[in-house]
Amino acid sequence: SQTIHQWPATLVQPVGSPLSLECTVEGTSNPNLYWYRQAAGRGLQLLFYSVGIGQISSEVPQNLSASRPQDRQFILSSKKLLLSDSGFYLCAWLTSPGLNEQFFGPGTRLTVL
Amino acid sequence: KNEVEQSPQNLTAQEGEFITINCSYSVGISALHWLQQHPGGGIVSLFMLSSGKKKHGRLIATINIQEKHSSLHITASHPRDSAVYICAVGTGNEKLTFGTGTRLTIIP
Repeated sequence: SQTIHQWPATLVQPVGSPLSLECTVEGTSNPNLYWYRQAAGRGLQLLFYSVGIGQISSEVPQNLSASRPQDRQFILSSKKLLLSDSGFYLCAWLTSPGLNEQFFGPGTRLTVL
Repeated sequence: KNEVEQSPQNLTAQEGEFITINCSYSVGISALHWLQQHPGGGIVSLFMLSSGKKKHGRLIATINIQEKHSSLHITASHPRDSAVYICAVGTGNEKLTFGTGTRLTIIP
């Protein structure tokens, strides 16, 4: 069965520190993968998506970057966190191309102090 | 103006009431999705529809393509239905555009 993992579940980091959030999927191959952020009181915002290893598309200019070193691994990073990077980060994969059905991971709640 | 608008933003109702959440969109879509976000943050897909109506248990989703409008209904609401309900549309490019969500609270 298909499963999506994210870690850590929660993270508190000081401003200026680096960030690495990891997402891995099981039970599928060559998935489209997505990173979303949900800021407090806001809707989901697409940050990055990837259609394959090493292929990353950025949706909004920001302090974050993404990488896909393996087929089922998607990493969200930052060299120096800002206060505005706080939020709930969700990884998702595309289960149904054409209809855009996506399956979401459990999320990581990031607080930058 | 957002491409996906939901109403109401917040809804509080008594247990047993019939609930309706609305979603309007302004772009051509390949499918519309209703998602449920639990208080802990996890998101579950409830429905994916491109026409007509779908039913799952006490949940019903309808879509009117001509009017660019969808509704999510909950019959015999229960406190465990309390969550944020999110409407999202796919426009054929394998990306979703999300509404800001409707926070539903069902009081026992």
